[in-house]
Amino acid sequence: AQSVAQPEDQVNVAEGNPLTVKCTYSVSGNPYLFWYVQYPNRGLQFLLKYITGDNLVKGSYGFEAEFNKSQTSFHLKKPSALVSDSALYFCAVRDILSGNTGKLIFGQGTTLQVKP
Amino acid sequence: EAGVTQFPSHSVIEKGQTVTLRCDPISGHDNLYWYRRVMGKEIKFLLHFVKESKQDESGMPNNRFLAERTGGTYSTLKVQPAELEDSGVYFCASSQEGWAGQNNEQFFGPGTRLTVL
Repeated sequence: AQSVAQPEDQVNVAEGNPLTVKCTYSVSGNPYLFWYVQYPNRGLQFLLKYITGDNLVKGSYGFEAEFNKSQTSFHLKKPSALVSDSALYFCAVRDILSGNTGKLIFGQGTTLQVKP
Repeated sequence: EAGVTQFPSHSVIEKGQTVTLRCDPISGHDNLYWYRRVMGKEIKFLLHFVKESKQDESGMPNNRFLAERTGGTYSTLKVQPAELEDSGVYFCASSQEGWAGQNNEQFFGPGTRLTVL
């Protein structure tokens, strides 16, 4: 079965420090991977995606993610965290077993807390 | 450009009542998805429309849930009768048209928080 795991419920980091939010996946075939962020009382906002090509993907708000096929990981990173980055982050993979659908399988989410 | 909108933002109902959630996708987006997040767990897929057709409804929990998208524009999700375990946040998302749209990012609405007492 296809799945996504976010092993950390919460990540705490000091402002200005680099941050990493971890994601691992299990899929059959090539993965299509996404990161979304949810700010309080808001919907999910798309950050970035990996479909094919360079393993390092750059996205919105200075975030990037590294696709690692051997480790089946797609960790989200930012070189210097901001307090405003504090939010709930979701990793997702497209369910390619479902055929002609863009159905996403999500991880359980990781709360990022950036302290001043 | 307006984003995905959902109505209502919150709904509190009693067990056994009926609730209808509405989603208005981004104009021109053929693909419309419903997801649900229950009690802080992962977001789970419910169903997928392409225009007015149900492409995949494998995530619908049971026959108390009915989704429609008449005319291929907005969509409704009705829960009848509601049970306690239906409580959660229901998200709607849309993405661009066509087969290629399946790899495009989905744009999410703010969600409807449903509480069943």
